[in-house]
Amino acid sequence: GAVVSQHPSRVICKSGTSVKIECRSLDFQATTMFWYRQFPKQSLMLMATSNEGSKATYEQGVEKDKFLINHASLTLSTLTVTSAHPEDSSFYICSARDWMNTEAFFGQGTRLTVV
Amino acid sequence: SQELEQSPQSLIVQEGKNLTINCTSSKTLYGLYWYKQKYGEGLIFLMMLQKGGEEKSHEKITAKLDEKKQQSSLHITASQPSHAGIYLCGADIGSGNTGKLIFGQGTTLQVKP
Repeated sequence: GAVVSQHPSRVICKSGTSVKIECRSLDFQATTMFWYRQFPKQSLMLMATSNEGSKATYEQGVEKDKFLINHASLTLSTLTVTSAHPEDSSFYICSARDWMNTEAFFGQGTRLTVV
Repeated sequence: SQELEQSPQSLIVQEGKNLTINCTSSKTLYGLYWYKQKYGEGLIFLMMLQKGGEEKSHEKITAKLDEKKQQSSLHITASQPSHAGIYLCGADIGSGNTGKLIFGQGTTLQVKP
């Protein structure tokens, strides 16, 4: 199946700093990628849709100025958590759809801890 | 907005036993995905169902989508410790295959040797 790679898998940062998370589709092109957040023992919540070459679409309640998304190429989307605070600590995971098939493939996720 | 309800929320079974996890949607399902997740890790794609009455199997796992396309079940036959994890159902938001998913709250499965 298609592979989606996320980096880093874990990151610890100080409060007030920014963190960038990368999501890459390794063997297919993805015009659209999705970013989710998962709090401990909860399900995944969709944050935003990343569109190649255009602005991201954010779900209700998600601050676009805090979670900056850039989809610079057909294989890479980045999520930058700006001015991170402890409440931003979470598991962030991306997905991409291989349009040749119908499955949505997920990255391995990034555990962000803000101290 | 569409919601997915999974049951049970958690399950403990003896190795070798069969089990079923259900996923019920508040609206018609146009694409229903089943994933497995180990806590703090990524999602492993299991199966995707689209057509009413569709049934797919992979190894000892079978998933079905009912005719009315509002409920899906995941059945594991002769469970093994390797089946332990969190099972999530996800549904495509809207009426098309967008890849944009909402998820149920998950079912945590423990398999006792």
